Amino acid sequence: GAVVSQHPSWVICKSGTSVKIECRSLDFQATTMFWYRQFPKQSLMLMATSNEGSKATYEQGVEKDKFLINHASLTLSTLTVTSAHPEDSSFYICSAQQGAMNTEAFFGQGTRLTVV
Amino acid sequence: AQSVTQPDIHITVSEGASLELRCNYSYGATPYLFWYVQSPGQGLQLLLKYFSGDTLVQGIKGFEAEFKRSQSSFNLRKPSVHWSDAAEYFCALAGGTDKLIFGTGTRLQVFP
Repeated sequence: GAVVSQHPSWVICKSGTSVKIECRSLDFQATTMFWYRQFPKQSLMLMATSNEGSKATYEQGVEKDKFLINHASLTLSTLTVTSAHPEDSSFYICSAQQGAMNTEAFFGQGTRLTVV
Repeated sequence: AQSVTQPDIHITVSEGASLELRCNYSYGATPYLFWYVQSPGQGLQLLLKYFSGDTLVQGIKGFEAEFKRSQSSFNLRKPSVHWSDAAEYFCALAGGTDKLIFGTGTRLQVFP
């Protein structure tokens, strides 16, 4: 199957700093990428949907100025958590989809963010 | 409204026993349905998917799932569980949009 690489796997940062997480589709071009947040022992919560070359679409309740998403190419999307606070600590997962809607999405391995 | 319900939060089985994880969905038409598995601290791996056609779907690692329209269900089964199957399992639905709607997950514990 297709491979989606997420980097870093884990990161610790100080409150007030910004952190960038990368999501790359290694062997296919991703028309659409998705960013999820997962709290401990809970399901995945969709944060935003990004399409290459256009602005991301954020889900209700997700602060777009805090969670900046850039999808500059068909193989790379980035999530930047700006001015991070301890409550932003979470597991962030991206997925990438090739082609039309409802085709299979491939997931990255996730990024554990800890804000201290 | 579209939704996915996984009634069982936590299931414990003995190694070698059979397994069935339940998934019910709510959607006005025939949805696209998926089962994913997540090991601790990892991303999600697709086990199987149903788009159309044969309602019994075979997946990886010996898993299968059956789509039952009359019951709005898509239960995951495995005839003999291995200790390495211990993980979190998510059922997901895609209906009409690119977005996946996930159930709350079922944590599977396997005893030797």
